[in-house]
Amino acid sequence: GNSVTQMEGPVTLSEEAFLTINCTYTATGYPSLFWYVQYPGEGLQLLLKATKADDKGSNKGFEATYRKETTSFHLEKGSVQVSDSAVYFCALSDLGDDKIIFGKGTRLHILP
Amino acid sequence: GAGVSQTPSNKVTEKGKYVELRCDPISGHTALYWYRQSLGQGPEFLIYFQGTGAADDSGLPNDRFFAVRPEGSVSTLKIQRTERGDSAVYLCASSLTSYQYNEQFFGPGTRLTVL
Repeated sequence: GNSVTQMEGPVTLSEEAFLTINCTYTATGYPSLFWYVQYPGEGLQLLLKATKADDKGSNKGFEATYRKETTSFHLEKGSVQVSDSAVYFCALSDLGDDKIIFGKGTRLHILP
Repeated sequence: GAGVSQTPSNKVTEKGKYVELRCDPISGHTALYWYRQSLGQGPEFLIYFQGTGAADDSGLPNDRFFAVRPEGSVSTLKIQRTERGDSAVYLCASSLTSYQYNEQFFGPGTRLTVL
């Protein structure tokens, strides 16, 4: 079945450091890929998405590229801020399917 | 405009009791989803409604779980004979339609604790 695997946390970085959170997926069809973020005390929010191979999703300085050949969708940011501290979920929705399948989440701590 | 709302925000109950969790989707959204998030895990799909009907209930763990959406707007997730393992955050999401590329907007969740 379809699944998402992302790196385990917590990840702790200093402010202005470069961030990568790895995500790989298994899917039988042609999925759309997402990164969701959950800030402390808030609900899940869509951070970015990509709907086909080689698409790059971007938002708030975060980027992720849909790599079909490596079945990956790694999240990157060039310079993190304390306000980026949150839990990040990689997720997919397969073509013809209605539900989103989430990874287990990666908790990110940014130190000032 | 208003986002997805869920009530109550917290629910504490005793093992064996019945609970109802309510979700108010964004106005005009025809698709509604329920997910369950256990501690340290990502959300797991439970059930999806398109309009009034349950289009996919493959994620419901057993027949103690049931959900309705009688008028195509508000939905209620019902859990009978609660067990300690049902303790989790129950999330509701809505989207404009069920089209794969439509963003699902999530509510804040109901934290259910079964003692």
